[in-house]
Amino acid sequence: DAGVTQSPTHLIKTRGQQVTLRCSPKSGHDTVSWYQQALGQGPQFIFQYYEEEERQRGNFPDRFSGHQFPNYSSELNVNALLLGDSALYLCASSYRAGTGARTTEAFFGQGTRLTVV
Amino acid sequence: AQSVTQLDSQVPVFEEAPVELRCNYSSSVSVYLFWYVQYPNQGLQLLLKYLSGSTLVKGINGFEAEFNKSQTSFHLRKPSVHISDTAEYFCAVSDRGGFKTIFGAGTRLFVKA
Repeated sequence: DAGVTQSPTHLIKTRGQQVTLRCSPKSGHDTVSWYQQALGQGPQFIFQYYEEEERQRGNFPDRFSGHQFPNYSSELNVNALLLGDSALYLCASSYRAGTGARTTEAFFGQGTRLTVV
Repeated sequence: AQSVTQLDSQVPVFEEAPVELRCNYSSSVSVYLFWYVQYPNQGLQLLLKYLSGSTLVKGINGFEAEFNKSQTSFHLRKPSVHISDTAEYFCAVSDRGGFKTIFGAGTRLFVKA
């Protein structure tokens, strides 16, 4: 059973560019959350997707956007990259039985290391 | 809103000694609590979780944690550590719907021979 997979593993971009990161959830999971982990810090919640909609959002600017596809995979897009966007981006998946239900525990992928130069 | 404070940024300890990593949280609603471990250049692995019931929670790799509602703490303990336990440990809290998980800044556990 494949766990949460993220691609690419590493990425180098220039300031002002745009980037797309991808995540495939663990089999049977329908909810995807994205986190940003700057060097030496804990992960910061960006947003969560369920049923192809953004359900909850952390304190991140609109430059950060996402999408969830019918197969539950997800993309994180970041526009107008800043040096401060350099970080490890983590995807976590879980299962939510219904819109108002609690999710099961989250499983994390290995992350995408984004470096902005 | 929830927040998590990990009281120690680094904890050095000798192999086979006991260790406690401290975590306090604040929340205006009932929450779930978690400890995750992160090895270098890897994602997060769940060590243990508290959802309800017994306040003493046992996890993987010999770790356990105790939920103390009155002190709003969820400290992680291990009676005897190994070199392989060297890693970054994160305490986290989520709302009961699991919509959002807030992480602490992390505690680096360094086990010395």
